[in-house]
Amino acid sequence: GAVVSQHPSWVICKSGTSVKIECRSLDFQATTMFWYRQFPKQSLMLMATSNEGSKATYEQGVEKDKFLINHASLTLSTLTVTSAHPEDSSFYICSAASADREVQPQHFGDGTRLSIL
Amino acid sequence: GQNIDQPTEMTATEGAIVQINCTYQTSGFNGLFWYQQHAGEAPTFLSYNVLDGLEEKGRFSSFLSRSKGYSYLLLKELQMKDSASYLCAVWDSNYQLIWGAGTKLIIKP
Repeated sequence: GAVVSQHPSWVICKSGTSVKIECRSLDFQATTMFWYRQFPKQSLMLMATSNEGSKATYEQGVEKDKFLINHASLTLSTLTVTSAHPEDSSFYICSAASADREVQPQHFGDGTRLSIL
Repeated sequence: GQNIDQPTEMTATEGAIVQINCTYQTSGFNGLFWYQQHAGEAPTFLSYNVLDGLEEKGRFSSFLSRSKGYSYLLLKELQMKDSASYLCAVWDSNYQLIWGAGTKLIIKP
């Protein structure tokens, strides 16, 4: 089945640091990738949708200058949390969808747990 | 607005059957999905319904009624490893996935 690799799985860093998270589709071409954030005991919250070669579409309330998304190829999207602060600590999950909208709508990466000290 | 409702938490006994309900109001409908999410992990796909009726897959079954905006996930022969959150999600007319808040299922011995 389709596989999405997300890296790193765990990040602990100081406040003010910028952190980059990678999301790769390993065996299919992902025309669209999604970035989610999940706080403890809460549901997934869509942050942004990115299509290969174009600018990401951000959900209301998500700062595009703080959460930089690059989707430069059909197999790779990156999320950079710039100047991270403790309130950015969360579980970040990417997912990828292919153009033919197969039965599974999105294939999820394993997530990145970000802790800002 | 778009809305998906499911119970916050449910408790069931090992070996028993549990039904998790989901009701939705969305801008269009292109299918309903159920995902399982263990704590600290990403969601994993369980089922997809786009037509009315029951879809059975092993111990798990999912039912859809489009006219009622209603679905349920049925888990049989519950095992301790089934303790997880179960997320209901709907594809709207733009193929945007709308997520419910999830139902935390607690299995007791």
